[in-house]
Amino acid sequence: EVQLVESGGGLVQPGQSLRLSCTASGFTFGDYVMSWVRQAPGKGLEWVGFIRSKGYGGAIDYAASVKGRFTISRDDSKGIAYLQMNSLKTEDTAVYYCTRDPFYYDSSGYNNWFDPWGQGTLVTVSS
Amino acid sequence: QSVLTQPPSASGTPGQRVTISCSGSRSNIGTNYVYWYHQFPGTAPKLLIYRNDQRPSGVPDRFSGSKSGTSASLAVSGLRSEDEADYYCASWDDSLSGPVFGGGTKLTVL
Repeated sequence: EVQLVESGGGLVQPGQSLRLSCTASGFTFGDYVMSWVRQAPGKGLEWVGFIRSKGYGGAIDYAASVKGRFTISRDDSKGIAYLQMNSLKTEDTAVYYCTRDPFYYDSSGYNNWFDPWGQGTLVTVSS
Repeated sequence: QSVLTQPPSASGTPGQRVTISCSGSRSNIGTNYVYWYHQFPGTAPKLLIYRNDQRPSGVPDRFSGSKSGTSASLAVSGLRSEDEADYYCASWDDSLSGPVFGGGTKLTVL
């Protein structure tokens, strides 16, 4: 069974840092792009960023709202993706999900659906 | 303000057919695939439709997706009480170089 499990969430003060982990099982982790998506309380979904597979150069992209503060990495040998969050702001308060993404391009556009999703981990930034 | 526009709510009675719209632009829906997710309270989103109109295994054929120009829609036929959830559309945006979501539509079964 394909499974993703996030961990590392919690309560932090503005300006502090936190690192989330996403442990994968049930598939060849190194073959996939891994994305992070967040959801503020009572709000919709917002893509945070992704890290491509080593086969596609391991490139990393971020949403403008977190670029320069958040860093995504991966350890293919352990099947874990990480989200390092620095200089946290109150508006970063959200449930953070990791998700698997096939991410490839064909003649009809980008294929980047998110499936499956982890259960999510809550990050609360408050003084 | 979400890049993709969805109605905040939709409703129907059991057995009815309901559609949820998703409006975008040339840089997203107009040139890329559309995806749909549903989310039940307190749980993670789940993929419902991929590549505009494809259903993952296990998703009933009561759910169908379509795309035309810069808009897409999700249809739920034979509405059931267990279909009550939030529904989100998504697509890649070439201008933003990343995926974008709609604001979500809360589907209520009356």
